[in-house]
Amino acid sequence: GAVVSQHPSRVICKSGTSVKIECRSLDFQATTMFWYRQFPKQSLMLMATSNEGSKATYEQGVEKDKFLINHASLTLSTLTVTSAHPEDSSFYICSARERAGGLRWETQYFGPGTRLLVL
Amino acid sequence: AQSVTQLGSHVSVSEGALVLLRCNYSSSVPPYLFWYVQYPNQGLQLLLKYTSAATLVKGINGFEAEFKKSETSFHLTKPSAHMSDAAEYFCAVTPYNNNDMRFGAGTRLTVKP
Repeated sequence: GAVVSQHPSRVICKSGTSVKIECRSLDFQATTMFWYRQFPKQSLMLMATSNEGSKATYEQGVEKDKFLINHASLTLSTLTVTSAHPEDSSFYICSARERAGGLRWETQYFGPGTRLLVL
Repeated sequence: AQSVTQLGSHVSVSEGALVLLRCNYSSSVPPYLFWYVQYPNQGLQLLLKYTSAATLVKGINGFEAEFKKSETSFHLTKPSAHMSDAAEYFCAVTPYNNNDMRFGAGTRLTVKP
């Protein structure tokens, strides 16, 4: 149980285009999902927290107009990188947390990540 | 606010030797503590977690960790390293009452034949 998927696993795009990454909780309902960015050989950097049905909360320094997050259902959150540039190239990882009161509500379960390369 | 410090960015052990990865935390409220493992180009997999029940927590793949409040530590151990244990390990802390999870910088474990 507690499986989180991400799609696509890797994507290459041209500078100026937009890219959408999907994060799905496959066997549980995730009221909260998180988006992280990871640079090579570094830890995870939290970008934003999204709660189902409400606007995402962005960490300081993360441009909300560039990284659009939508959490439209209890099993799906999307991250859209708009007008991508080479410096946006990175490994993006999502995680999902069960609704409060669930057996595993305190745990974040992670997706396999998406490698984005902007040319 | 809470934070995690992982001592040693790189640990190297021989196959069959004891694995000890260190994690110290800081939290103003009772914490929940986690160890995750990351293999190259993959997401994070939960190894084990402490959520205020038993202080000695057993996880997958033979790993265990002990919560020591007096030392504010949550070190990860495994009695006998296997080649497949080579990976990046992250310690994380979250307050019991909210979403805010903070990760350590990670420790890369190398297992020598």
